Amino acid sequence: AAGVIQSPRHLIKEKRETATLKCYPIPRHDTVYWYQQGPGQDPQFLISFYEKMQSDKGSIPDRFSAQQFSDYHSELNMSSLELGDSALYFCASSSTTGAYEQYFGPGTRLTVT
Amino acid sequence: GQQLNQSPQSMFIQEGEDVSMNCTSSSIFNTWLWYKQDPGEGPVLLIALYKAGELTSNGRLTAQFGITRKDSFLNISASIPSDVGIYFCAGGLYGGSQGNLIFGKGTKLSVKP
Repeated sequence: AAGVIQSPRHLIKEKRETATLKCYPIPRHDTVYWYQQGPGQDPQFLISFYEKMQSDKGSIPDRFSAQQFSDYHSELNMSSLELGDSALYFCASSSTTGAYEQYFGPGTRLTVT
Repeated sequence: GQQLNQSPQSMFIQEGEDVSMNCTSSSIFNTWLWYKQDPGEGPVLLIALYKAGELTSNGRLTAQFGITRKDSFLNISASIPSDVGIYFCAGGLYGGSQGNLIFGKGTKLSVKP
């Protein structure tokens, strides 16, 4: 079965640079979630989109923004990167009827140097 | 913010043993989910629970939604080496945003062959 696709899988950036992470949800899933996971931590919810509209917002820094496009893929844009932004970033998707059943992608490992 | 207390934090067991872990909270949840995460990969959904008292199995895994709706447990029977990983509980908070999950801190399972 098709899974959530994330790209790139690994990304190395320098401080103050920008980064864009992409997420392609499971086909027919209309909701996308973004999580940040630091080393040894649990996933922390950043933001979610349903039908291209922001549906919920968590602990997302103001330097980050995200959007969902007409084909339901989503992009997380990160500016003025800081060393503390180094983490695994996961995208998850769900369908309207199973909103809590979130299926996670393989993640993007972002390293800020 | 809302917290889930997941225990134990880590377990080191013999292959073939049964494993039990749980999550508790002072808040009421609509949904409980259990995920397994391997190093550097995305969490994989194991079991989703939607009703108080519900007991659901997935192979050697069994999970229950506590009657008070404030807790859940996961049992793994006859553990094998590939069960190694970090297990996260996640809850959908009653009265919270649809699809907004709160994660426990994880239980790290190590299996000795």
